[in-house]
Amino acid sequence: DGGITQSPKYLFRKEGQNVTLSCEQNLNHDAMYWYRQDPGQGLRLIYYSQIVNDFQKGDIAEGYSVSREKKESFPLTVTSAQKNPTAFYLCASSIPTSQETQYFGPGTRLLVL
Amino acid sequence: AQSVTQLGSHVSVSEGALVLLRCNYSSSVPPYLFWYVQYPNQGLQLLLKYTTGATLVKGINGFEAEFKKSETSFHLTKPSAHMSDAAEYFCAVSDRGGRDDKIIFGKGTRLHILP
Repeated sequence: DGGITQSPKYLFRKEGQNVTLSCEQNLNHDAMYWYRQDPGQGLRLIYYSQIVNDFQKGDIAEGYSVSREKKESFPLTVTSAQKNPTAFYLCASSIPTSQETQYFGPGTRLLVL
Repeated sequence: AQSVTQLGSHVSVSEGALVLLRCNYSSSVPPYLFWYVQYPNQGLQLLLKYTTGATLVKGINGFEAEFKKSETSFHLTKPSAHMSDAAEYFCAVSDRGGRDDKIIFGKGTRLHILP
């Protein structure tokens, strides 16, 4: 079965701690995306990658970092610089053309202790 | 730059009634338009999309949407609501004018189905 997996489903962060959210896809998609979802604000783009070893900042990249060493994987690190990290994080992938559907993972909910 | 406005953050309809979720877009180029659905604590799933051709687009679960260029709208409809339709719905437009291929999402409309 092809799809996108995100882990963990729930993640707790302590003050000053960096945490990493996993996103893996076996759809053979070149493009991958990270979104943050807050109630009433829709989805906001954090980072995206059109190809391996390349990624671009989205609208709200401050306090986050990513890597794209493999086509299948696009992990997101929430650093201690992100002062309000509590949110639902969604990863997506697609064929990188404008008309293509983005396929989403099930999401990771990050909570601050 | 493209943008999307969804009218109404919450919409309530009775089971069996018409569902109408409104979406207006702004785009300097012919748009690609999408509707996604999100069930609680899950990712988004594509309902339907418009790229070119027929302006009435049919999607999954009995939903359809009509692209109206003159009104810059892409409203989502379903003739008869079912309890299982309760979810959050997102309209989106492809950022075709940008450097890379991104999608811009609206803020979402939560659909409530009344028994």
